[in-house]
Amino acid sequence: GENVEQHPSTLSVQEGDSAVIKCTYSDSASNYFPWYKQELGKRPQLIIDIRSNVGEKKDQRIAVTLNKTAKHFSLHITETQPEDSAVYFCAATLYGNNRLAFGKGNQVVVIP
Amino acid sequence: DAGVIQSPRHEVTEMGQEVTLRCKPISGHNSLFWYRQTMMRGLELLIYFNNNVPIDDSGMPEDRFSAKMPNASFSTLKIQPSEPRDSAVYFCASSFFDSNQPQHFGDGTRLSIL
Repeated sequence: GENVEQHPSTLSVQEGDSAVIKCTYSDSASNYFPWYKQELGKRPQLIIDIRSNVGEKKDQRIAVTLNKTAKHFSLHITETQPEDSAVYFCAATLYGNNRLAFGKGNQVVVIP
Repeated sequence: DAGVIQSPRHEVTEMGQEVTLRCKPISGHNSLFWYRQTMMRGLELLIYFNNNVPIDDSGMPEDRFSAKMPNASFSTLKIQPSEPRDSAVYFCASSFFDSNQPQHFGDGTRLSIL
């Protein structure tokens, strides 16, 4: 089955700096890669996703890049703000299968 | 639009009791997923349904867990008998049946078994 790993497990950044979280996946057939943000005590919320036919997608301060050859994808948050502090999960799904394999999550702490 | 609706939000019960968690997916979604989240194990997929049919229940921890989806707008996850190690947050999520569609999560049920 699909295996998704996230690095680093915890990331602290100064407010205004950028944060980058990287995920690797094992199955070359994966074709959909969402990112979820989970604040303490709340549900995972989809913040951005990318499909395998594009290499980059941007939405205001967040962007995701995909390298299919290396089988990794990354979340980029620019101009970080305290409200960006949360756990971020990456996930990947197999072609023809709508089940998601989630990473273990990254704790991002934005220091004011 | 209403999102995924789960009930109850919190449940505290004694071990040995039956627990039933409920989920209403987003209208029109035809896939439904049950997850369990703990600090130790992260987010685990327990079971998922496509068009009300269970597709993969390999994540269900043991026979004490069962799930049903009698129609497109309702699903239950039942634990009988419950044990303290079942304490966790249980999330339900739904999506369109397509390999590149996002899953949308409910607010979860925080379950504590004493």
